[in-house]
Amino acid sequence: ETGVTQTPRHLVMGMTNKKSLKCEQHLGHNAMYWYKQSAKKPLELMFVYSLEERVENNSVPSRFSPECPNSSHLFLHLHTLQPEDSALYLCASSQVQGEETQYFGPGTRLLVL
Amino acid sequence: GNSVTQMEGPVTLSEEAFLTINCTYTATGYPSLFWYVQYPGEGLQLLLKATKADDKGSNKGFEATYRKETTSFHLEKGSVQVSDSAVYFCALLGSARQLTFGSGTQLTVLP
Repeated sequence: ETGVTQTPRHLVMGMTNKKSLKCEQHLGHNAMYWYKQSAKKPLELMFVYSLEERVENNSVPSRFSPECPNSSHLFLHLHTLQPEDSALYLCASSQVQGEETQYFGPGTRLLVL
Repeated sequence: GNSVTQMEGPVTLSEEAFLTINCTYTATGYPSLFWYVQYPGEGLQLLLKATKADDKGSNKGFEATYRKETTSFHLEKGSVQVSDSAVYFCALLGSARQLTFGSGTQLTVLP
């Protein structure tokens, strides 16, 4: 695998479910990001992990919980979501203090019923 | 704070037409500038970038020049193809090392 991969690509969940999104980067980067892309809204940065430590939260509701066990993997744990949380969730990675260009995964399309 | 303003879409062109998508920015310091492209059902792909004033980024026939005097990074292509139909995002990487995106411009190229 190359680049940034995300699983699952599509997810449908009820408001009482618990699910997790997974992101893996194969680029040797040391920073990872979660973004939310909703229809007709700019991309919203949700979380930033640099050197495996969270450095940015951007006031995201606590029903979204990130986890970064190592520099290659990033998770977004979801629980008791709302229908307005339906969106495309994008993961990205970059090399901090290096080139710093962010490379994105294909996204997970989430539908909350 | 930082901001990026893109021309409103959607933009519809015929194949082989000339494309310009305007992008202007507001930032302190010396940001890096990017164009990303999003094809239907996919994530964002880096199209091109420029890291300092007067740099020209280019890829797949697309070009953009970092103009500090006009705080602009307009995307151009001389002859678009149907396969260029996508949403194009202008973005800047500021001193806080976080990306700020424009709202995106939908491009449709008709055969």
